[in-house]
Amino acid sequence: DAKTTQPPSMDCAEGRAANLPCNHSTISGNEYVYWYRQIHSQGPQYIIHGLKNNETNEMASLIITEDRKSSTLILPHATLRDTAVYYCIVRALNTDKLIFGTGTRLQVFP
Amino acid sequence: DSGVTQTPKHLITATGQRVTLRCSPRSGDLSVYWYQQSLDQGLQFLIQYYNGEERAKGNILERFSAQQFPDLHSELNLSSLELGDSALYFCASSIGSQSSYEQYFGPGTRLTVT
Repeated sequence: DAKTTQPPSMDCAEGRAANLPCNHSTISGNEYVYWYRQIHSQGPQYIIHGLKNNETNEMASLIITEDRKSSTLILPHATLRDTAVYYCIVRALNTDKLIFGTGTRLQVFP
Repeated sequence: DSGVTQTPKHLITATGQRVTLRCSPRSGDLSVYWYQQSLDQGLQFLIQYYNGEERAKGNILERFSAQQFPDLHSELNLSSLELGDSALYFCASSIGSQSSYEQYFGPGTRLTVT
């Protein structure tokens, strides 16, 4: 699986958009980009995933660059409850497991 | 609430002992995954079962074993426990075994070995 690089920490003001970057420059054509988050010591929570196109759901938007070497997770209106560690994971079509890196610790402040 | 349940929530035991962690997947999910999260190793994949069969293995120690039963619940057995086995153990489930399917995680079992 391709490796990902994320900033270790980010801050965001409540109500503002949180934009979390992820670099996956060695991604292959059959690899998906997944985002999960972990709030404190709870189980990781699935957020969104995509292959090539931008994706949006009720939680977030995923923007994948045309060359697929990087992506951005956007939380449109961050709340205090969005404070968590966010993991960007690249996962191949024939791989069942998720390989978690160290993620980005997002702190949303009032 | 992900729909994945894990029991027990907390477990405290002594070195050398054996414990069993239990996981019930979401209704309809056929795949079950086990992950370990320790302070120094982060979240690590241990093993996956799909419809009762072992599908993939990760960094699972020989002292650890797992199985998935006909009703699709899964158990992770940890034996000859060591202090370093203290960790959060998460179970996740998904509909199938393709990477296009998202995994839903349970609340975890916190194991403390003293």
